[in-house]
Amino acid sequence: GAVVSQHPSWVICKSGTSVKIECRSLDFQATTMFWYRQFPKQSLMLMATSNEGSKATYEQGVEKDKFLINHASLTLSTLTVTSAHPEDSSFYICSARQDYSPLHFGNGTRLTVT
Amino acid sequence: KNQVEQSPQSLIILEGKNCTLQCNYTVSPFSNLRWYKQDTGRGPVSLTIMTFSENTKSNGRYTATLDADTKQSSLHITASQLSDSASYICVVRCLGEYGNKLVFGSGTILRVKS
Repeated sequence: GAVVSQHPSWVICKSGTSVKIECRSLDFQATTMFWYRQFPKQSLMLMATSNEGSKATYEQGVEKDKFLINHASLTLSTLTVTSAHPEDSSFYICSARQDYSPLHFGNGTRLTVT
Repeated sequence: KNQVEQSPQSLIILEGKNCTLQCNYTVSPFSNLRWYKQDTGRGPVSLTIMTFSENTKSNGRYTATLDADTKQSSLHITASQLSDSASYICVVRCLGEYGNKLVFGSGTILRVKS
């Protein structure tokens, strides 16, 4: 079945550094990818939607200069958390779909900023 | 291996009819199970969350059941409406070595026809 690979699964970084998270669709062309953030005991919160070859659409309250999203190919999207701070510590999840087929989720990246 | 399998992959029903979606999991150790509804182009919205000790939980026309012994959950939708057309995602949280981990099902796409 369709698989979305998210890497890394967890990362620890120092405050002020940038972290890049990759989301890859392994056996399908992901025309749309979604990035979510999840705080403990809370539901997924959609951060942005990206379509291949175009700029990402960010949800209200999400800083586009803080969370850089690139969807340069049909199999890869990246989320870069720039100048990370401890409040950016969270669980980040991507999902991908081809056209209007079912969503496939990555297994998430746990980011800890010290 | 921690897995969550949902069935059917897609379903079409007439408005006003009932339907049941299935979720089987092999996640261990189990923490909780959520059902999400995700409209096209939107982030998933949590419908119910169930812990080990809960057998059934309702949220309006949505009723979720959980059998922790057989590791099965179902989501029953009564008197379906056109607005129920969406993707329904089962997500199981397990207790991992580095903290909680989410394991996602691939979803069931429900289409309600008038």
